[in-house]
Amino acid sequence: AQKVTQAQTEISVVEKEDVTLDCVYETRDTTYYLFWYKQPPSGELVFLIRRNSFDEQNEISGRYSWNFQKSTSSFNFTITASQVVDSAVYFCALPAPGAQKLVFGQGTRLTINP
Amino acid sequence: EAGVTQFPSHSVIEKGQTVTLRCDPISGHDNLYWYRRVMGKEIKFLLHFVKESKQDESGMPNNRFLAERTGGTYSTLKVQPAELEDSGVYFCASSHFGQGKYFGPGTRLTVT
Repeated sequence: AQKVTQAQTEISVVEKEDVTLDCVYETRDTTYYLFWYKQPPSGELVFLIRRNSFDEQNEISGRYSWNFQKSTSSFNFTITASQVVDSAVYFCALPAPGAQKLVFGQGTRLTINP
Repeated sequence: EAGVTQFPSHSVIEKGQTVTLRCDPISGHDNLYWYRRVMGKEIKFLLHFVKESKQDESGMPNNRFLAERTGGTYSTLKVQPAELEDSGVYFCASSHFGQGKYFGPGTRLTVT
């Protein structure tokens, strides 16, 4: 069965520090997608990225970057020069096999202090 | 284009009462999903509609939960009777086939 583990329950850093959120997953699928979502204090879930398991290149989008390591089944998310507005709960997810539903990790609550 | 909307944003009810949550997906999205997050745990899948049909309802916790999507547009999720353990945030999402899911803002349900 699919499983997503986000071992860091809460992280607190000072603004401008870099921070990495870990995500480790289990799947029997040979090809799959991985996702990150952000849940700011307002409550909605905001899509951040979808990564195909074929593509192991790191992805960078502004201050956000993702490190996909298929060999270790990890899909870590790094925020560079963090800002207070980055404070949120971040979820890693992957689809269940042969299904449209997503399996989420428990989430990491990130607090950026001014 | 309007995003996924959910109503109400917050509901407080007493144990044993009934509550109905509503989700309006993005126009034209055939896929509609319900998820919930209970007690700060992971977000868990409840069910998936394709148009008005239930494609997968494997995540529905018990028969106190009833989801409908009449006409393949908006969906409702009714909890009757509500129990304390039903408290949490209920998310709705919609998508086109083969594309990413867009989540709504969620409904925070508190059962006292």
